[in-house]
Amino acid sequence: LAKTTQPVSMDSYEGQEVNITCSHNNIATNDYITWYQQFPSQGPRFIIQGYKTKVTNEVASLFIPADRKSSTLSLPRVSLSDTAVYYCLVAAIKAAGNKLTFGGGTRVLVKP
Amino acid sequence: NAGVTQTPKFQVLKTGQSMTLQCAQDMNHEYMSWYRQDPGMGLRLIHYSVGAGITDQGEVPNGYNVSRSTTEDFPLRLLSAAPSQTSVYFCASSEPGGNQPQHFGDGTRLSIL
Repeated sequence: LAKTTQPVSMDSYEGQEVNITCSHNNIATNDYITWYQQFPSQGPRFIIQGYKTKVTNEVASLFIPADRKSSTLSLPRVSLSDTAVYYCLVAAIKAAGNKLTFGGGTRVLVKP
Repeated sequence: NAGVTQTPKFQVLKTGQSMTLQCAQDMNHEYMSWYRQDPGMGLRLIHYSVGAGITDQGEVPNGYNVSRSTTEDFPLRLLSAAPSQTSVYFCASSEPGGNQPQHFGDGTRLSIL
């Protein structure tokens, strides 16, 4: 499983765009990049996934450069309710079971 | 749609006691997993299952047992509770495949005195 590295924490203000970059230098050809969001006292929640280029949904955008050695989660115009921990995961389609590794994640604090 | 249901939500045990954390999902998912999360830390995989009757160890399996007799249920058993097992436990389920989104329960907060 590819190891991921992401910042420990980030502060932002309401209405700003938050960009979290995750490094995954050892990503394999069959690996997908998935981001989860975790609020206090809740389990993680899937927010977005991609393989290459750009993916956008109603919550976030995911930018993946051509070499796929990193990815950037973009949260547009954040609000206080976006304060959470964001995890970047890399796993192959045929990964054995659910052997996913959640690192420490990035703690995003949105201030008024 | 209930999704993944974990019970109990909170539990306090004494050292040496045993207990079972329950996890049930109603999405007919083949894959189920148990994670623990210590304060300020990420999730660590304890055990996982790829289908009824099939289980395997994760990153931190010692002190825990699992079984998977049905697709819906995946209980986690603490054999002899230790203070080091104080943590929040999350159960998750998904379709087969490492890229499939995992659906998590709300967790069980366990304190071992």
